[in-house]
Amino acid sequence: GAVVSQHPSWVICKSGTSVKIECRSLDFQATTMFWYRQFPKQSLMLMATSNEGSKATYEQGVEKDKFLINHASLTLSTLTVTSAHPEDSSFYICSARDYSKNIQYFGAGTRLSVL
Amino acid sequence: QQQVKQSPQSLIVQKGGISIINCAYENTAFDYFPWYQQFPGKGPALLIAIRPDVSEKKEGRFTISFNKSAKQFSLHIMDSQPGDSATYFCAGELETSGSRLTFGEGTQLTVNP
Repeated sequence: GAVVSQHPSWVICKSGTSVKIECRSLDFQATTMFWYRQFPKQSLMLMATSNEGSKATYEQGVEKDKFLINHASLTLSTLTVTSAHPEDSSFYICSARDYSKNIQYFGAGTRLSVL
Repeated sequence: QQQVKQSPQSLIVQKGGISIINCAYENTAFDYFPWYQQFPGKGPALLIAIRPDVSEKKEGRFTISFNKSAKQFSLHIMDSQPGDSATYFCAGELETSGSRLTFGEGTQLTVNP
């Protein structure tokens, strides 16, 4: 079964609203999680590194006020897309590394459609 | 700046054939090189990975060949099956810097029956 759970898998929202995506590590504690964005037929682009108990580290060009990341516990990180617009429509994927197994696991992804 | 270049963009192979995907990297600080398999609408899943001090790693039908001096590595899928049809991504990882991954552009593999 999945060791990184991402929810929801698909969300449709109106322009201007905010959407929260959750990423949970099920079998291990994750001090660090990652958020990626993927456009159709393209690669994964790292948006930010989520650190438990501290501020996220954003990649160059990613608006931190638009993509709010919270990592309040060792098993949960959330990505909130604030005031979403159609150009924010994309596939968002989280990942977390299980250092005991030396494997980075990915969530199943969240497809966001902003109308 | 794209630090991992992957080719080909798409690949069509007959069932039973060998699929070969190549990657080249720029960042010599990468200390881990995983390959991921992604099916439509799903997140990537780790397929096989190698460290730069090893020249080859084989797991079942999947083999990574690694050339440190050329900064290149490749994935070979032997006896390719229709179920292998997916998008494959190579990546470079900085384990010493929090395990950030830099992905290649991806290769869409189609294995015809």
